[in-house]
Amino acid sequence: DQQVKQNSPSLSVQEGRISILNCDYTNSMFDYFLWYKKYPAEGPTFLISISSIKDKNEDGRFTVFLNKSAKHLSLHIVPSQPGDSAVYFCAARGQNFVFGPGTRLSVLP
Amino acid sequence: GAGVSQSPRYKVAKRGQDVALRCDPISGHVSLFWYQQALGQGPEFLTYFQNEAQLDKSGLPSDRFFAERPEGSVSTLKIQRTQQEDSAVYLCASSSAGTAGNTIYFGEGSWLTVV
Repeated sequence: DQQVKQNSPSLSVQEGRISILNCDYTNSMFDYFLWYKKYPAEGPTFLISISSIKDKNEDGRFTVFLNKSAKHLSLHIVPSQPGDSAVYFCAARGQNFVFGPGTRLSVLP
Repeated sequence: GAGVSQSPRYKVAKRGQDVALRCDPISGHVSLFWYQQALGQGPEFLTYFQNEAQLDKSGLPSDRFFAERPEGSVSTLKIQRTQQEDSAVYLCASSSAGTAGNTIYFGEGSWLTVV
């Protein structure tokens, strides 16, 4: 039973537009959420995080939104750049860190 | 070191062979994690150390998998009698805080192929 879900396996966005990646979770005990970015043949790289006591965290072009009542979080990238093309993983902290299956983002020039 | 270092980067093992994968975490990091990532999937938790203590090994898929961190720094993940289903990327991550911490930083992974 997947505790962290990313229901879109892939997403294509035009350069300069907004990319929105979604993540849903089932365990209400999760208290911290993270997004990681992964290029081929590399390990995941930490991108941005949010505590469960907040509903928004922003870092440059990246913003993460958390809706606790819906058990949903999203990552917004504005403006999207071709270098953002990668697989994005959502993760949640419980007793350990639980990862979603990932969404492959393609930013088209 | 500057980042999490893993070796070997690539390993091809014959079915039934034993393998050992090494992780050198970021210097001073208390927490260390091992994850397994199959093709097209997200990382799956294997085990967690706080210093030298293995606090959680609930994700290890069978008794063929064994991990240790004897001095609280470098860790080794050992897989005995490898099977084809063990083929995956094995990711090591570390965190500065105890009790899992807030953010974990990954190495580049060890790519294991069992033939």
